[in-house]
Amino acid sequence: AQSVSQHNHHVILSEAASLELGCNYSYGGTVNLFWYVQYPGQHLQLLLKYFSGDPLVKGIKGFEAEFIKSKFSFNLRKPSVQWSDTAEYFCAVNVGKLIFGAGTRLAVHP
Amino acid sequence: DTGVSQDPRHKITKRGQNVTFRCDPISEHNRLYWYRQTLGQGPEFLTYFQNEAQLEKSRLLSDRFSAERPKGSFSTLEIQRTEQGDSAMYLCASSLNEDQPQHFGDGTRLSIL
Repeated sequence: AQSVSQHNHHVILSEAASLELGCNYSYGGTVNLFWYVQYPGQHLQLLLKYFSGDPLVKGIKGFEAEFIKSKFSFNLRKPSVQWSDTAEYFCAVNVGKLIFGAGTRLAVHP
Repeated sequence: DTGVSQDPRHKITKRGQNVTFRCDPISEHNRLYWYRQTLGQGPEFLTYFQNEAQLEKSRLLSDRFSAERPKGSFSTLEIQRTEQGDSAMYLCASSLNEDQPQHFGDGTRLSIL
């Protein structure tokens, strides 16, 4: 069965620290991969997407993700986080519908 | 704002009652999805529509749940004889087609007393 695994459930960082959130998926076909973000009190918003081509994709607010097909991974990165990045982050694979990971709650302290 | 709209935002009801939620997708979007999210989990797929046709239902969707999209525009999700385990956030999303990103609404939070 298709599944998405996010390795970190809670991450606490200080401002300016670097961020990497792990995501692994289980699906044998061609994948479309997404990272969504949910800021406190807001709806899920698309952060970035991978459909094909360059495996390094850039999203909004300085986030990027790298698709590594051999590792079935799509890790999210940001070189320097800000307090405003405090949110919950969800990795998802599109198999006609979205299969989400359990999410990673990120807290950034000033 | 012409994003995905859901109504109501919150619903509190007694166990055994029926509830109905509404979702208005982005106007030109053909696909409409329903998901359920509980605390500490990512959204779980329930069902989706291509225009007015319901194409897939998750096994999570018991026979107490029914969804419609009668004219290929707005959709309703009804839960009959609600149970404690139905307490969750119900999310609606829409997309232009199956490959394009899904846009989410704010959700309807259901609490069963």
